[in-house]
Amino acid sequence: EAGVTQFPSHSVIEKGQTVTLRCDPISGHDNLYWYRRVMGKEIKFLLHFVKESKQDESGMPNNRFLAERTGGTYSTLKVQPAELEDSGVYFCASSQVTGTYNEQFFGPGTRLTVL
Amino acid sequence: DQQVKQNSPSLSVQEGRISILNCDYTNSMFDYFLWYKKYPAEGPTFLISISSIKDKNEDGRFTVFLNKSAKHLSLHIVPSQPGDSAVYFCAAWNYYGGSQGNLIFGKGTKLSVKP
Repeated sequence: EAGVTQFPSHSVIEKGQTVTLRCDPISGHDNLYWYRRVMGKEIKFLLHFVKESKQDESGMPNNRFLAERTGGTYSTLKVQPAELEDSGVYFCASSQVTGTYNEQFFGPGTRLTVL
Repeated sequence: DQQVKQNSPSLSVQEGRISILNCDYTNSMFDYFLWYKKYPAEGPTFLISISSIKDKNEDGRFTVFLNKSAKHLSLHIVPSQPGDSAVYFCAAWNYYGGSQGNLIFGKGTKLSVKP
């Protein structure tokens, strides 16, 4: 069974540009999470989808970030326009069951560098 | 304000000895804790967990201890092996009802096991 995949693995863009990150969760997993790790800091929650619905987006830093999960399958996270402080590693995770803790499987992450 | 704290950014241990990684949390409502292991260029992978109704959980060479009164947990690895060298993240399951919940991570501790 394929794990969580993320594309691209690396992205280097200039301040003011737009970047779109993609996450493909494990097939059949209704829950999809986005997290971000800024250098040397903790991994921070950004948002949570249950199928195609945004369940919780309390961790989204500001309105430059837009996440979608059309059809309840893969998800995209768009940053527009990118700022220097958006640099970091963006992780996607998926899990099967909603509510009580259910193991989250993480993708390898997308390393975003904003110059 | 950080709710999960790992105050040691790094730890170096000799192969065969015990590794002890520590974690403190501030929110007494947390009732489920996890340790994740992360290798470079990979996503975090689940290692071991513990429910707040227990004070110890063991899985092979890995044991997690929970001291609820001190809001402290620790991960023991015995014996340590060079392949254990990785960044270890402590996390708490932050469940706030219905289908809403996410992981709150510490900053991680980089473990180096020397042969």
